[in-house]
Amino acid sequence: DAKTTQPTSMDCAEGRAANLPCNHSTISGNEYVYWYRQIHSQGPQYIIHGLKNNETNEMASLIITEDRKSSTLILPHATLRDTAVYYCIVRVEDSNYQLIWGAGTKLIIKP
Amino acid sequence: DVKVTQSSRYLVKRTGEKVFLECVQDMDHENMFWYRQDPGLGLRLIYFSYDVKMKEKGDIPEGYSVSREKKERFSLILESASTNQTSMYLCASSLYEGSSYNEQFFGPGTRLTVL
Repeated sequence: DAKTTQPTSMDCAEGRAANLPCNHSTISGNEYVYWYRQIHSQGPQYIIHGLKNNETNEMASLIITEDRKSSTLILPHATLRDTAVYYCIVRVEDSNYQLIWGAGTKLIIKP
Repeated sequence: DVKVTQSSRYLVKRTGEKVFLECVQDMDHENMFWYRQDPGLGLRLIYFSYDVKMKEKGDIPEGYSVSREKKERFSLILESASTNQTSMYLCASSLYEGSSYNEQFFGPGTRLTVL
């Protein structure tokens, strides 16, 4: 079973910041939080990952709470091309290093 | 840029046929993965491989086998296709797990229909 909980869907106005929440209350101290997105008819695309510090790259920012039980992915200036399903994933810490995928959040950017 | 390619975008096969799905990556990645994706179920791991000739079962390996004879190529085999194997199949690759960096690069997917 997925170790994360995300809202099923969200809307955001074009040009505004999109904030996507994720709960991972059972996360272990050495497990990373990963975010991927999947645009319709394409394979998933890596966005960002983090352990406990906030992270930023050219695509997004990742804010992780101090207790690490939740995080927020921020797309600072959403565009119509950001419409996709966004997956928050906790990396399972075993010899397989699998990513356990949940249902994700369907983010719709509206003009 | 890393590129992961899959042999077909769309494939239609008949029940009982043997089906080969091919995946090739060009970044010398050690790890390769096969997932299937179904509506409402998300991505589920079928098999993965962390080295040539090595393979590990994922969550749903039944009815599938894999082959990794070369580092860049990972094949998924449906020995006798059934209608419940109609799905989107996604291949991915990533660097060796010795580092903490585990970005998986995905191919475009193969939509397989079994009639």
